[in-house]
Amino acid sequence: DTEVTQTPKHLVMGMTNKKSLKCEQHMGHRAMYWYKQKAKKPPELMFVYSYEKLSINESVPSRFSPECPNSSLLNLHLHALQPEDSALYLCASSQDGSPRGTGANVLTFGAGSRLTVL
Amino acid sequence: GQSLEQPSEVTAVEGAIVQINCTYQTSGFYGLSWYQQHDGGAPTFLSYNALDGLEETGRFSSFLSRSDSYGYLLLQELQMKDSASYFCAVSPLTDSWGKLQFGAGTQVVVTP
Repeated sequence: DTEVTQTPKHLVMGMTNKKSLKCEQHMGHRAMYWYKQKAKKPPELMFVYSYEKLSINESVPSRFSPECPNSSLLNLHLHALQPEDSALYLCASSQDGSPRGTGANVLTFGAGSRLTVL
Repeated sequence: GQSLEQPSEVTAVEGAIVQINCTYQTSGFYGLSWYQQHDGGAPTFLSYNALDGLEETGRFSSFLSRSDSYGYLLLQELQMKDSASYFCAVSPLTDSWGKLQFGAGTQVVVTP
């Protein structure tokens, strides 16, 4: 299995809703990531989990709450979002988070969850 | 800090060769990566240069020259399916574990 699976593919939510995005990989990767991508822009890093511990939070607002229940799963809990949070949310994984060699430089991305906040 | 610059768009015909440059101003990094993303799709890893020189993977090659603060992705024998956005990315020396910095991306348009 060489895939990162994200659900749901599309999500529409109101500003008062609570929803979650899910991500799963079975490649034995020990680093997992959440990225946010707006149209015609590069992916922007949100969170990094390394060996199931949160290692990077890129000053993301608290209305986004990540969770890593185990080494294969990564969730992003959403609450009280704003319309400007509408974007493609990408999950990725890598062998580990090491910036040396092919660790963090070789990411496998999921297909993304396209979020629309009304 | 670091800044990666790429051309915003490149247009070429099928069968041609395209070179996408990535110039950078950075305090140092571990290596240069390239990713491809089709419209509506996920980024896909293409290549990684840890050292100066050329890396070849089929029709795609990537090059890095640290002394010139410059790298490129070379797409040969262009096919319609190569129409996509291409991002260069680095892991900065000064930043922590797992932080990949992406350039703004180059839209490649392949015409018949």
